[in-house]
Amino acid sequence: QVQLQQWGAGLLKPSETLSLTCAVSGGSFSGYYWNWIRQSPGKGLEWIGEINHSGSTNYHPSLKSRVTISVDMSKNQFSLKLSSVTAADMAVYYCARGYSWYVDWGQGTLVTVSS
Amino acid sequence: DIQMTQSPSSLSASVGDRVTITCRASQSISTYLNWYQQKPGKAPKVLIYAASILQSGVPSRFSGSGSGTDFTLTISSLQPEDFATYYCQQSSSTPRTFGQGTKLEIK
Repeated sequence: QVQLQQWGAGLLKPSETLSLTCAVSGGSFSGYYWNWIRQSPGKGLEWIGEINHSGSTNYHPSLKSRVTISVDMSKNQFSLKLSSVTAADMAVYYCARGYSWYVDWGQGTLVTVSS
Repeated sequence: DIQMTQSPSSLSASVGDRVTITCRASQSISTYLNWYQQKPGKAPKVLIYAASILQSGVPSRFSGSGSGTDFTLTISSLQPEDFATYYCQQSSSTPRTFGQGTKLEIK
């Protein structure tokens, strides 16, 4: 069974860059899409973007100018960077596997933005 | 973006009840509709994909139907473990979008 384990800084100051990584184990990394999704009380579940094993990406238009999703095939990992964070970026961030629906999810990382 | 609207936002029901949750898309999405269950502190879990296909391991009391803009998730006989929040999600186009959720509570 595929497992996703994520980590990264949980407390940021406004204008800093959010950085999270998700490691995939127990299954193939190739041939799938890897996603970042966030959940906040105000906006609910929000898809941030996706990447496949070859590095092809697709981002939410509202975040596109600030988001970078990258993949490290040698480590079976993919990462999220979100620049210039504000209080509106406070949420639980999840990594997830899938193209149309998401079967496997990471455990979630609570990100707080506070000066 | 395609907007997904669920109803009701919350629902009280008893063990053994039959429950239906509705999801409406702002434009036609064919059958590119998925349903998730989420319990507090946990990631969402996919129940139904492509509108009506039961994810492996999900109990058969869950079923989904619909196409175009209107979809339903039905739980035929509520069990204690089913009290949770349910979300729909469209996969017709990017950005993928979710409904706002339906919280199913014990009556």
